[in-house]
Amino acid sequence: GAVVSQHPSRVICKSGTSVKIECRSLDFQATTMFWYRQFPKQSLMLMATSNEGSKATYEQGVEKDKFLINHASLTLSTLTVTSAHPEDSSFYICSARDWSSGVNEQFFGPGTRLTVL
Amino acid sequence: GQQLNQSPQSMFIQEGEDVSMNCTSSSIFNTWLWYKQDPGEGPVLLIALYKAGELTSNGRLTAQFGITRKDSFLNISASIPSDVGIYFCAGQLRGYNQGGKLIFGQGTELSVKP
Repeated sequence: GAVVSQHPSRVICKSGTSVKIECRSLDFQATTMFWYRQFPKQSLMLMATSNEGSKATYEQGVEKDKFLINHASLTLSTLTVTSAHPEDSSFYICSARDWSSGVNEQFFGPGTRLTVL
Repeated sequence: GQQLNQSPQSMFIQEGEDVSMNCTSSSIFNTWLWYKQDPGEGPVLLIALYKAGELTSNGRLTAQFGITRKDSFLNISASIPSDVGIYFCAGQLRGYNQGGKLIFGQGTELSVKP
């Protein structure tokens, strides 16, 4: 089945530093990947849609200069949280869509727990 | 923007009981999806519904896509301890400008009765 991985699974950083999170589709090509943020006891909130070879589309209220997204290949999208602050601490989850399967299904990664001190 | 109202927010289950949860929306969705999320992990798809009125089963799980396209329910029959977790409904937008985005409900947390 379609597998999506994320790296790292956990990261702790100091306030003001930048953190990069990778999302990979392991056994399929994903022209579109999505990035979500989930705070404790809350739902998944879509941050941005990442399209291979083009600029990401950000949801309202998400700062594109703070959350840099790069989707340089059909199997890899990265999210960089720049100048992270404690309020950026959250669970970041990516998903990837496998168009070739004929089913418009998104496969989710295992998530990355970011803690900013 | 679109919002999904999911209820109940939490419930306790005893092994063997049937469980029901639902989602409603003020917007029409073309696809309804139900996911389960275990602590510290990403959501896993349980059931996908593509047609209004569709009733689909996956083992002990049954879900229906409401006729109005604005609601869906998920039933779990004869619950077992591993059913514990958080269940999310999600509506998928398919319009040209929507790009297949998912809108998630607030989640229903299933716990074991003390």
